[in-house]
Amino acid sequence: EVQLVESGGGLVQPGGSLRLSCAASGFTFSSYDIHWVRQTPGKGLEWVSYIGTTGDTYYVDSVKGRFTISRENAQNSVYLQMRTLTAGDTAIYYCARGGDDELTDAFDLWGRGTLVTVSS
Amino acid sequence: QSVLTQPPSASGTPGQRVTMSCSGSSSNIGSNYVFWYQQFPGMAPKLLIYRNNQRPSGVPDRFSGSKSGTSASLAISGLRSEDEADFYCATWDDSLSGFVFGTGTKVTVL
Repeated sequence: EVQLVESGGGLVQPGGSLRLSCAASGFTFSSYDIHWVRQTPGKGLEWVSYIGTTGDTYYVDSVKGRFTISRENAQNSVYLQMRTLTAGDTAIYYCARGGDDELTDAFDLWGRGTLVTVSS
Repeated sequence: QSVLTQPPSASGTPGQRVTMSCSGSSSNIGSNYVFWYQQFPGMAPKLLIYRNNQRPSGVPDRFSGSKSGTSASLAISGLRSEDEADFYCATWDDSLSGFVFGTGTKVTVL
């Protein structure tokens, strides 16, 4: 089955760290960009970061210097290392696949998300 | 605060046509493809429209997208009760060097 499965979410104190994982299956993982998108419960979507097939990375300004995205093609996985977390980072974090060919830049496959709660 | 503005809500009766807008600028919509996503409560978003007006396989032709200048629109014709959801536009922003989402439009079927 073609799917993405996130894990690693949970409750963390302000200033703490957390590492999210996104495990892919059912497709040639190394051929696709992978994105992280977050959503505050009851609010809108915010793109967070992406890693390309060649390892190039991009981040939204609000997480630059605090979040690091990486990928391990041998494990069909992408990771999001989050540091110096604040209440503003509380959200459901989705990983999404960047499409290829005519679907380039489209998020054509999404995981179910993992909830990150930053609170004391 | 999102750089893409959408109306917070839209509504219609079954069978009607509903449209929603997505307003941006020259650095995002004006120079890049627009994508639309549909999200049901408690679910992950789903790709609805890519490259401004293309539908992935499986998306009914009741959904259509368009783009003009720095704005884009999504239309739902023949509205059905199962279309009740949140809809988000998205695109790449050259100035921000990142993707941006719209504020989202909640569609209600009356």
